[in-house]
Amino acid sequence: DAGVIQSPRHEVTEMGQEVTLRCKPISGHNSLFWYRQTMMRGLELLIYFNNNVPIDDSGMPEDRFSAKMPNASFSTLKIQPSEPRDSAVYFCASSSGAREQYFGPGTRLTVT
Amino acid sequence: AQSVTQLDSQVPVFEEAPVELRCNYSSSVSVYLFWYVQYPNQGLQLLLKYLSGSTLVKGINGFEAEFNKSQTSFHLRKPSVHISDTAEYFCAVSESSNYKLTFGKGTLLTVNP
Repeated sequence: DAGVIQSPRHEVTEMGQEVTLRCKPISGHNSLFWYRQTMMRGLELLIYFNNNVPIDDSGMPEDRFSAKMPNASFSTLKIQPSEPRDSAVYFCASSSGAREQYFGPGTRLTVT
Repeated sequence: AQSVTQLDSQVPVFEEAPVELRCNYSSSVSVYLFWYVQYPNQGLQLLLKYLSGSTLVKGINGFEAEFNKSQTSFHLRKPSVHISDTAEYFCAVSESSNYKLTFGKGTLLTVNP
């Protein structure tokens, strides 16, 4: 089992640029979560999909953030335009409906 | 709303010593409890979980945790730690009525030789 796959692992961009983070969940998992981790705020849930449908996006910081899940094996998190305060590690996690979530290795985003 | 408090942000110990990482939660309904470990520059890995049944839960790498409903606690323990246990440990809670995992701020365990 390949686990949750995220790309890129590192992203450095300039303020104002568009950033797209990608996630491939574990095959057969029907729930997908995007988290953001910072020193100040810890781990925060951004959005949750179930069967490719966004169920709860109340954690998305603002309209600059958007997420999609066009099929069961792929999701994107987009930031447009990016700002320095978006610098963080972004994690994708998936679940099969059991309570535990399986996390990817994360994408470290730096916005200068 | 559910919340998690990890009482210690950092715990330094010597190799082969026992360790306890403390976690308290707040919720008005039944909960599920988890401990995750994060090694440097990696994602979170599930150590153990409590869903129901026995309140003493055993996980990977020799860790165990005990669910104490009256104390609303789920402390993580290991009788003898190794250098390789150095990592950040996160306690998380999920209410039985929803899917959301709420994480504590994490405890950095540093095992010294």
